Amino acid sequence: DAGVTQSPTHLIKTRGQQVTLRCSPKSGHDTVSWYQQALGQGPQFIFQYYEEEERQRGNFPDRFSGHQFPNYSSELNVNALLLGDSALYLCASSQTGFGPGELFFGEGSRLTVL
Amino acid sequence: AQSVTQLGSHVSVSEGALVLLRCNYSSSVPPYLFWYVQYPNQGLQLLLKYTTGATLVKGINGFEAEFKKSETSFHLTKPSAHMSDAAEYFCAVSGRDDKIIFGKGTRLHILP
Repeated sequence: DAGVTQSPTHLIKTRGQQVTLRCSPKSGHDTVSWYQQALGQGPQFIFQYYEEEERQRGNFPDRFSGHQFPNYSSELNVNALLLGDSALYLCASSQTGFGPGELFFGEGSRLTVL
Repeated sequence: AQSVTQLGSHVSVSEGALVLLRCNYSSSVPPYLFWYVQYPNQGLQLLLKYTTGATLVKGINGFEAEFKKSETSFHLTKPSAHMSDAAEYFCAVSGRDDKIIFGKGTRLHILP
């Protein structure tokens, strides 16, 4: 049973560009959450998707947007990249209604903005 | 709103010694509390969680944590440290909305 998979694992962009990160949840999971983890920091909640809708959102600007597909996979898009967007982006999946908080994390996509 | 404060960004203990990682939380509703571990170049893995009921929670790899409402704390302990415990540990809190808020993490170093 595959866990949470993310792609790409590493990427380099320049300021002003746009990036799309992808996530496939663990089999049987219907909810996807995205987190940004800057170097030396804890993960910061970006948003959560359930039933193809954004259900929760953290304190991130509108440059950060997402999408969830009917197969529960998800994308994170970041427009007009800034140097400060350099971070590890983590996707986590869970099963709504099966109790709180047991997130399954992927290994992340490491974004470097030059 | 919920928040978490982890005391000590780095903690060093000798192999075989007690591990104690401190976490205090703030929550406007009865909290759900979690400890996650992150090994280098990997995602996070759930160690243990408190939802309701027994305040002493046992997790994987011999770790446990105690929920103390009066102290708003959820400290993580392990009686005897092993070299393989070296990692980053994150305390986290959630209300009833499935949004999990993480602390800044504590890096645990194990000394031989």
